[in-house]
Amino acid sequence: QKEVEQDPGPLSVPEGAIVSLNCTYSNSAFQYFMWYRQYSRKGPELLMYTYSSGNKEDGRFTAQVDKSSKYISLFIRDSQPSDSATYLCAVDNDYKLSFGAGTTVTVRA
Amino acid sequence: DAGITQSPRHKVTETGTPVTLRCHQTENHRYMYWYRQDPGHGLRLIHYSYGVKDTDKGEVSDGYSVSRSKTEDFLLTLESATSSQTSVYFCAISWTSSSYEQYFGPGTRLTVT
Repeated sequence: QKEVEQDPGPLSVPEGAIVSLNCTYSNSAFQYFMWYRQYSRKGPELLMYTYSSGNKEDGRFTAQVDKSSKYISLFIRDSQPSDSATYLCAVDNDYKLSFGAGTTVTVRA
Repeated sequence: DAGITQSPRHKVTETGTPVTLRCHQTENHRYMYWYRQDPGHGLRLIHYSYGVKDTDKGEVSDGYSVSRSKTEDFLLTLESATSSQTSVYFCAISWTSSSYEQYFGPGTRLTVT
C-alpha cells in the first residue's frame, strides 16, 4: 500500500473558483503534512506544511489535516491563472518525504 | 532554486552506458536527496545522504548508486542505463533531519534510447 494516495485529476476551473485538492495517507504515525507546488518544467517548491491535525491558512491557501480519517486537503480560494500548476501532497516518513502522484490544476481566465 | 544546481539539465544516452548526474548546493545543508519523477508516480526517493560519505537507499534504488565526497556535491550514477530509467531527476536539500521542508533543484531530464 502506498503511503500517500492523491486524486489524479486533472482539474480545470474558471478563474475565481475554489480549488479543492485531496490526499489520503496510510500510517497514523505521520506528523508532518506538506503541499508542494510545481510549475511546468520546474522543481517542486514547498507551499505549506501542517503539523499534526487541524487547519493552517496562508493568504488564499488553506491546508487541512483530519487524522481520524487520514485525510489531507488543500483549498485555494479566488483561484488565479497563476495558480495553474501541479500540486503534490507529501508526508514526513521517517526523515524522508513520501509524495502523492500530484494533481495538475488549470485555472482558466 | 535555493542555491541548488543540477547538471546536465538534459541528456540523451544509449542503453548500457554509464551516466552521472551532479547536484551542487551552495547552502551548506547537511541532507541531500535524489528523486525521480514519472507520470502517475509522483516523486520517488532513489537515495539520500545525511552527511559526507553517509548515504542510504530510498524506495527505488536498484540500478543507481550515489556518492558524496563534499558537503556541496551529491552525485547520482546509473551504472548501465536502461530505458526504464528515462525520467526527470530532481535533487533536493534539507537543513535538518525533519525533512518536511526540502528545497528542490531545477531537474535533469534524462532519456535512455
